Formats: sequence, C-alpha cells, structure tokens
Amino acid sequence: DADVTQTPRNRITKTGKRIMLECSQTKGHDRMYWYRQDPGLGLQLIYYSFDVKDINKGEISDGYSVSRQAQAKFSLSLESAIPNQTALYFCATSDSWGKNTGELFFGEGSRLTVL
Amino acid sequence: KNEVEQSPQNLTAQEGEFITINCSYSVGISALHWLQQHPGGGIVSLFMLSSGKKKHGRLIATINIQEKHSSLHITASHPRDSAVYICAVVGGSNYKLTFGKGTLLTVNP
Repeated sequence: DADVTQTPRNRITKTGKRIMLECSQTKGHDRMYWYRQDPGLGLQLIYYSFDVKDINKGEISDGYSVSRQAQAKFSLSLESAIPNQTALYFCATSDSWGKNTGELFFGEGSRLTVL
Repeated sequence: KNEVEQSPQNLTAQEGEFITINCSYSVGISALHWLQQHPGGGIVSLFMLSSGKKKHGRLIATINIQEKHSSLHITASHPRDSAVYICAVVGGSNYKLTFGKGTLLTVNP
C-alpha cells in the first residue's frame, strides 16, 4: 500500500457541486497538508493540520474546507465547485521538524475538472 | 515571504550528460527539499538537507546556507531521469514550505 493515498484520482464535476477529496496515510505522521498545483505555478498551500485538533488556513483557502477525522485522515471539500478550481490537488504528510527527518511524503494527486 | 527561484526552467540533455539544477531563496531557512515529479505522476521527495551535501545513487544535492543557494546534480543522466524537479524551502522554525516553480528536465537517448 502507498504511504499516502488520495481518492478519487480523477474527478469531473459541474459548477456548483460539492466535492470531497480524501487523503489517508500510513506513516503515523502528525502533520498533513493539502496543496494545489496549476500549470506554470508552484504548489500552493490550501490548508494544513499539525494534529487532529489543529487546522490552519494556507495561502489559498477561500472556497475550500477541510476535516481531520483522525491522525491518518485529512479530507478537502469544495462546497460549491467553480471552474477555476480545476487543478491537480496533492495531499502530503510530514513529521514535526524536531522529529526524525522531517521528510515529506506526497499522495499521487487528484485531478479535478470543474465544468 | 520567501521567494524561491529555480534555474533553468527547462533543460534538455543527452543521455550520459552531467546535469545541474539550481535553487536560490531570499530568506533564511531551516531546511530545503528537492522533489521529483514525473509527467502525470505523484511527487517524490529526493532529499531534505539543511547543510552540506547529500548523495543518493547518481543524485547529489548541495546547499550553501550563507549564499542561500542549493544545487541538484545528476551524474550520467538517463532518459528515466526526465521529470520536473522542484525545490522547496522550510521557513525558519515553522512548518511553512515555499515551492519553486520547478525545472523540466528532458533527457534524450
């Protein structure tokens, strides 16, 4: 099994629909992140969570919400999808920087198209 | 805000060539990551380093904290090295990662 699993891998939806992207990890990491990748741009942080009770907005959180259901699960929701949310979404995990190596692990990505 | 610049943006090489990709950043950091993304694929962490140099197979990463600069080298490049290479810096004592826009490497046989 992959260390970080994202579902769905691909989704096409219509404007106004609610979409949830799910992420689960087997690394036992405290920290989880949702990023968005657009062509020609770097990865942009949407939300991050340092533990189940600690959730924070990133650079581009408008139009998105998240839920940290357990240490291993972090889901991203688009309450009412719009076409400019068409992008490739990545979930990532890491240890706290003071622990272990602080290495990052990414999911395979979820490609979302909003028509 | 930390600005992360990678160069070159695009790089085409012949199999066997020595490759260098550069990353510069504007504000002091606690660590730097080099990531690899194959077309249509996920992102894999190659290195995390905070000083000096690391080597893994044909890949070597170096960082100069004083000059705010890191390089990723690939020796004896191979077509399977074709990918986007992304530099990401960890700002200060906090979590925040700032990503470069990536370098698209194409290695021709």
